Amino acid sequence: DQQVKQNSPSLSVQEGRISILNCDYTNSMFDYFLWYKKYPAEGPTFLISISSIKDKNEDGRFTVFLNKSAKHLSLHIVPSQPGDSAVYFCAASGYGGATNKLIFGTGTLLAVQP
Amino acid sequence: KAGVTQTPRYLIKTRGQQVTLSCSPISGHRSVSWYQQTPGQGLQFLFEYFSETQRNKGNFPGRFSGRQFSNSRSEMNVSTLELGDSALYLCASSLGLTKQETQYFGPGTRLLVL
Repeated sequence: DQQVKQNSPSLSVQEGRISILNCDYTNSMFDYFLWYKKYPAEGPTFLISISSIKDKNEDGRFTVFLNKSAKHLSLHIVPSQPGDSAVYFCAASGYGGATNKLIFGTGTLLAVQP
Repeated sequence: KAGVTQTPRYLIKTRGQQVTLSCSPISGHRSVSWYQQTPGQGLQFLFEYFSETQRNKGNFPGRFSGRQFSNSRSEMNVSTLELGDSALYLCASSLGLTKQETQYFGPGTRLLVL
């Protein structure tokens, strides 16, 4: 049972435009969400996070929106740059107990065209 | 501050052998989590250690085990290797004090089982 879903396996965007990556979750116990960027054969790099008590968090070109009623979050990248091309994973935590277990989505491959 | 380090970076083993992977967390971080990434299953949680104790465990067979030392360094061991154990093994560290923490990942160990 996939508790965190990224329904778009890939996304192509022109340089300078907005990239919007989406993520849905099913478990209402999740209370902390993170976005990571990953290149092949490397570890994920942390981008931005959001607590369930907020609906928006910004950091530079990256903004994450959380809609708890819809169990949906999105990552906006503005403006998109070719160096943003990578696989983006959303992850959720807060799933029971004193633990830092992350549940990851399947990833979205973002290609930013020059 | 140095990031999370993992050794070795690459490893080739044959079926039936065992392997030990090592992870050194960011200084001051007491929680170390391990994840397996495969093309078919994505990023999956293996286990988390905090203060030398396993705090949570994912759905992996008993062939996968780990431990944490007093300096927070962690090792994971896979015994009786199977072809399906070929994967990128990632460790992540965090302070381990709350559920709403960012986990920082190492570069991973690429394991190939022949």
